[in-house]
Amino acid sequence: AQSVTQLDSQVPVFEEAPVELRCNYSSSVSVYLFWYVQYPNQGLQLLLKYLSGSTLVKGINGFEAEFNKSQTSFHLRKPSVHISDTAEYFCAVSEMNTGFQKLVFGTGTRLLVSP
Amino acid sequence: KAGVTQTPRYLIKTRGQQVTLSCSPISGHRSVSWYQQTPGQGLQFLFEYFSETQRNKGNFPGRFSGRQFSNSRSEMNVSTLELGDSALYLCASSYGQGYTGELFFGEGSRLTVL
Repeated sequence: AQSVTQLDSQVPVFEEAPVELRCNYSSSVSVYLFWYVQYPNQGLQLLLKYLSGSTLVKGINGFEAEFNKSQTSFHLRKPSVHISDTAEYFCAVSEMNTGFQKLVFGTGTRLLVSP
Repeated sequence: KAGVTQTPRYLIKTRGQQVTLSCSPISGHRSVSWYQQTPGQGLQFLFEYFSETQRNKGNFPGRFSGRQFSNSRSEMNVSTLELGDSALYLCASSYGQGYTGELFFGEGSRLTVL
């Protein structure tokens, strides 16, 4: 079984400042890793994913994440945030090679960007 | 290309009633998954359907059921509603083969049980 830990439930930051949202996972098998974003009253949108290859993954809206296998982490970063980045961010994993689609999500981190 | 469409967006039911939620996936997508989102439990996997067959099921009681039709549209049903079933129910679709890991989510159906 897999589990995902997002230690920070809320991260306040000023506009144009850098931000890092932390994600650690636990799994006995190899996993794929994802970050999704949820804006108020909307569904989830994929920001980026790590399937294989380069451990630094770039996504939409200037976000990037780095997969660290030894630390079982997949932290999300953005060098300069905008007000419009205010949303809830979810880290998720899925087991490789299962033939079906099931995501295990963390509890989410609310990013609050203020002017 | 139209996105994932969920209906109804909002609904209110009373304890003991049943509810049916509908999901129309993106055209060409054959896999439909359902997730329950609550403030206390977060996002939890309910089940996934591919080509009208349930491929995987989460840890929910039998009151939660689903099905998928030949056009890939899916419905989920919750019978004998309990207060704890109040949640945002999210549907997600994907091609379901050659797994790339990207699920496309609808805006959800917000269920309130009184």
